[in-house]
Amino acid sequence: EAGVVQSPRYKIIEKKQPVAFWCNPISGHNTLYWYLQNLGQGPELLIRYENEEAVDDSQLPKDRFSAERLKGVDSTLKIQPAELGDSAVYLCASSPGAEGTGELFFGEGSRLTVL
Amino acid sequence: QKEVEQNSGPLSVPEGAIASLNCTYSDRVSQSFFWYRQYSGKSPELIMSIYSNGDKEDGRFTAQLNKASQYVSLLIRDSQPSDSATYLCAVMGNTGGFKTIFGAGTRLFVKA
Repeated sequence: EAGVVQSPRYKIIEKKQPVAFWCNPISGHNTLYWYLQNLGQGPELLIRYENEEAVDDSQLPKDRFSAERLKGVDSTLKIQPAELGDSAVYLCASSPGAEGTGELFFGEGSRLTVL
Repeated sequence: QKEVEQNSGPLSVPEGAIASLNCTYSDRVSQSFFWYRQYSGKSPELIMSIYSNGDKEDGRFTAQLNKASQYVSLLIRDSQPSDSATYLCAVMGNTGGFKTIFGAGTRLFVKA
């Protein structure tokens, strides 16, 4: 069974430029998460989807961040414009269902460097 | 007070010893508890989940949960150098719609 797939693995951009990250969850997993992880910290939730509905986006900085999950499968996280403080690893995770066991399966992450 | 607190370490143990990792959480209605292992430069990987008070064993790993004390621990028996990683405690509660909150992690070094 294929795991969570993310791309790109690495991205270097200059500040004020846009950037987008893509995630394909494990087949059949209805719940998809985007987390941000800074060095030495645990993952912090940005947004959680149940199918195509964003059910928790309270931590998403909506002035510059946006996300979508068309058709309830793949998801894209966008930052426009990027700021220096956005340098971090962006992790996508999926889990089987809305009220499942809560076990998360992570992709390899997208490491963003903003210069 | 952070919602999920862990000692950042590093925790250093000799090969073959028992490593004990601890975590406390603030939300009393939390229902599900997890330990993830994260190697340097890699993403978190689930190693243990526990949902009720007591101990849960899986190979060399034992998770312990005490909801009254809001405390979760992970014991690693016969520690190996390959266990050297950051261990993240994660808690899922009912508030905020089954949100999973992570601690900052404890770095573990197992010396050969």
